[in-house]
Amino acid sequence: QMQLQESGPGLVKPSETLSLTCTVSGASIKSYYWTWVRQPPGKGLEWIGYIYYNVITNYNPSLKSRVTISVDTSKSQFSLRVNSVTAADTAIYYCASLRWQQAPMDVWGAGAPVTVSS
Amino acid sequence: EIVLTQSPGTLSLSPGERATLSCRASQSISGNYLAWYQQKPGQAPRLLIYGASSRATGIPDRFSGSGSGTDFTLTITRLEPEDFVVYYCQQYGTSPLTFGGGTKVEIK
Repeated sequence: QMQLQESGPGLVKPSETLSLTCTVSGASIKSYYWTWVRQPPGKGLEWIGYIYYNVITNYNPSLKSRVTISVDTSKSQFSLRVNSVTAADTAIYYCASLRWQQAPMDVWGAGAPVTVSS
Repeated sequence: EIVLTQSPGTLSLSPGERATLSCRASQSISGNYLAWYQQKPGQAPRLLIYGASSRATGIPDRFSGSGSGTDFTLTITRLEPEDFVVYYCQQYGTSPLTFGGGTKVEIK
């Protein structure tokens, strides 16, 4: 049974880079698409982007200039980097799986809260 | 991008009643690639419905989805106490993937 677990710093300073990792267990990281979604405090869900095996990436245009998603197959992990963060990037960040490119998000991690503050 | 508008924002009902949640898209969703998620406080969203009407694994049959094109509905036939939480629709047919703003189902 697939499980996902986010990890990374919970506090990031303004203008710095937010970095999170999602560790995949119970499934091959080469067999799925992987995605990131975030949720600001008390608000709704925002899709950040997805990746397939370092071959296909697709980002939300609203974040595209600041976001990079990558896969490390040797560690069965995929990662998110958001550059030049501001307080507006404060959110819970979730990783999730997609069975193929046009698919719902069927397995989710528990979420990693990230606060942007000096 | 496709904007999803969920209504109502809050739905006040009693346990055992029927809940009808709406999700309207700003343009037709290709392939009816529309999903519904349930989110409990402090938890990640959970997939309930995909392809507008297919229940995800392990989802009780009191949850059902319907609709096509731009108008979609999530129906909960008999509300259980654990169903009083927030529901989101999401389209995955066209990039960027987008979510609706959510409907909170609260106890009346």
